[in-house]
Amino acid sequence: DAKTTQPPSMDCAEGRAANLPCNHSTISGNEYVYWYRQIHSQGPQYIIHGLKNNETNEMASLIITEDRKSSTLILPHATLRDTAVYYCIVRAEYGNKLVFGAGTILRVKS
Amino acid sequence: NAGVTQTPKFQVLKTGQSMTLQCAQDMNHNSMYWYRQDPGMGLRLIYYSASEGTTDKGEVPNGYNVSRLNKREFSLRLESAAPSQTSVYFCASSDSPSSYNEQFFGPGTRLTVL
Repeated sequence: DAKTTQPPSMDCAEGRAANLPCNHSTISGNEYVYWYRQIHSQGPQYIIHGLKNNETNEMASLIITEDRKSSTLILPHATLRDTAVYYCIVRAEYGNKLVFGAGTILRVKS
Repeated sequence: NAGVTQTPKFQVLKTGQSMTLQCAQDMNHNSMYWYRQDPGMGLRLIYYSASEGTTDKGEVPNGYNVSRLNKREFSLRLESAAPSQTSVYFCASSDSPSSYNEQFFGPGTRLTVL
């Protein structure tokens, strides 16, 4: 499985864009990058995923570098409710299992 | 449409006791999963069921058994609970056969083993 590296924590001001980086330098050509988040005490929630093109949905944007060795999750206008642990995941080799690392704790502050 | 439901929400066991954690999904998903999450850590896969009638070990299967009762339900059993199994347990489901589908998670079961 391609491993991911994320900063342990980040702060963001409310209303500003939150940019969460992820390094996945050993990613294989057919592996997708997934982002999930976990708000305190709840189950993880899917945010977005992509292969090589940039992706956008109602929650966030995903920017993947051309060499696919890193990506950035962008929350365009962070709110206090976006405070959570954000997990960058490269899909595991077998089946459709997800392998979670420690993630990035994002604190949105007013 | 309830999504993924788990019972119980909380449970306290004594060492050596057994119990079964229940999980059900109403999204007609083929694949189901059991994860555990220890304090300050990410989720670790215990067992998964790619489709009805099949189960496979994940990263940390020791001390657990699973049953895929039908397409909707996937249970996790602790035969002889140990303090090291104190954790939050999450069940998830996803569509298949595509491997690139999001997983939907339940609210979790908080288990304490004394």
